[in-house]
Amino acid sequence: ETGVTQTPRHLVMGMTNKKSLKCEQHLGHNAMYWYKQSAKKPLELMFVYSLEERVENNSVPSRFSPECPNSSHLFLHLHTLQPEDSALYLCASSQDPGAKEAFFGQGTRLTVV
Amino acid sequence: GQQLNQSPQSMFIQEGEDVSMNCTSSSIFNTWLWYKQDPGEGPVLLIALYKAGELTSNGRLTAQFGITRKDSFLNISASIPSDVGIYFCAGYTQTGANNLFFGTGTRLTVIP
Repeated sequence: ETGVTQTPRHLVMGMTNKKSLKCEQHLGHNAMYWYKQSAKKPLELMFVYSLEERVENNSVPSRFSPECPNSSHLFLHLHTLQPEDSALYLCASSQDPGAKEAFFGQGTRLTVV
Repeated sequence: GQQLNQSPQSMFIQEGEDVSMNCTSSSIFNTWLWYKQDPGEGPVLLIALYKAGELTSNGRLTAQFGITRKDSFLNISASIPSDVGIYFCAGYTQTGANNLFFGTGTRLTVIP
């Protein structure tokens, strides 16, 4: 069982659909993150959660809605996305929000059509 | 946010050759990290550097934390086909909750 698991691995959705991405970490970490990875751009931090509380929201559009029900699970709810939202969405965790080393999941490849 | 410039953007090398890539920033970082991302996977941490001047190895990989704390390099010796992937540098700062800033990556192709 890997440390950080993301599902689904691939998702194709229409602009009017509602879907959710799931992340689960088995490392006992207290912080979890959502990143967006687009081609030829640095990883973009979207959200940071520490012990189930959101501590950072980097001006992400409201069509992305995170949820952290406990310290092991993180969701990203998607609603009325745009084609430019197509990207690889990566979940990560670390011991604490300020920890230096983050461990990543395999990502969800999202395509918005 | 902080900007990290990573070079080269891509490399094509023959198997067995050595590889060098670097990362520079206008800002000082407390820690430099190097990640590798295989196709269809998430980034995996390769090496972490915690103080200026530090030189650390992990198998065929060697990385250094620049003395100015604004740069780092990664070397791969005797490349093999499984070295293919994208290598990302990341700089860590203790300011705020968004502590980790990533470079744009170096895409490495190893030709057998």
